[in-house]
Amino acid sequence: GQNIDQPTEMTATEGAIVQINCTYQTSGFNGLFWYQQHAGEAPTFLSYNVLDGLEEKGRFSSFLSRSKGYSYLLLKELQMKDSASYLCAVKNQGGKLIFGQGTELSVKP
Amino acid sequence: ETGVTQTPRHLVMGMTNKKSLKCEQHLGHNAMYWYKQSAKKPLELMFVYSLEERVENNSVPSRFSPECPNSSHLFLHLHTLQPEDSALYLCASSQDRDVYSGNTIYFGEGSWLTVV
Repeated sequence: GQNIDQPTEMTATEGAIVQINCTYQTSGFNGLFWYQQHAGEAPTFLSYNVLDGLEEKGRFSSFLSRSKGYSYLLLKELQMKDSASYLCAVKNQGGKLIFGQGTELSVKP
Repeated sequence: ETGVTQTPRHLVMGMTNKKSLKCEQHLGHNAMYWYKQSAKKPLELMFVYSLEERVENNSVPSRFSPECPNSSHLFLHLHTLQPEDSALYLCASSQDRDVYSGNTIYFGEGSWLTVV
């Protein structure tokens, strides 16, 4: 079967750093995506990893290890507006995007 | 504004009603998708259209019927739904369906459907 696992909920403090993990088992691998979804809004693209290593984009970074079937999204200098659901998705060998259930992040003052 | 517009944003319908969800993309993409998002569950892919041809149907019940009249518009026709069909229905589009492409898909804000 195909499976994407990520924590259901996380809480962090404004100004801190938080790491959201994602592990996957899919039929083939053609890249991993992270999306951010605020309540009542569309999911929006954050990052794409297809090679091992760290991709940095401002306060957000995403890491991939294909041999371990593992990725994380790192959010630095947390702001209240970062409170949202973070979706991990893997493109499998057929080109289909398989989504995890999302991690609900709450940022507290 | 993501370039993908969905209407209506909220819909309440009875189990015997017929209604339709509409999606329009302004990004010049040639692939469009319907996803279902239920609480605490992963996004479920329902249908995929590429160049106006349906290329994927993930065992979706026939009470959901998609239509893609052109590359910019996508509909989801709803008929005799069940209460468990209540969910957020998301439309999305992408430049292509290249398996090896890192092109992301762009989502609309969704249509909240409640079946009573």
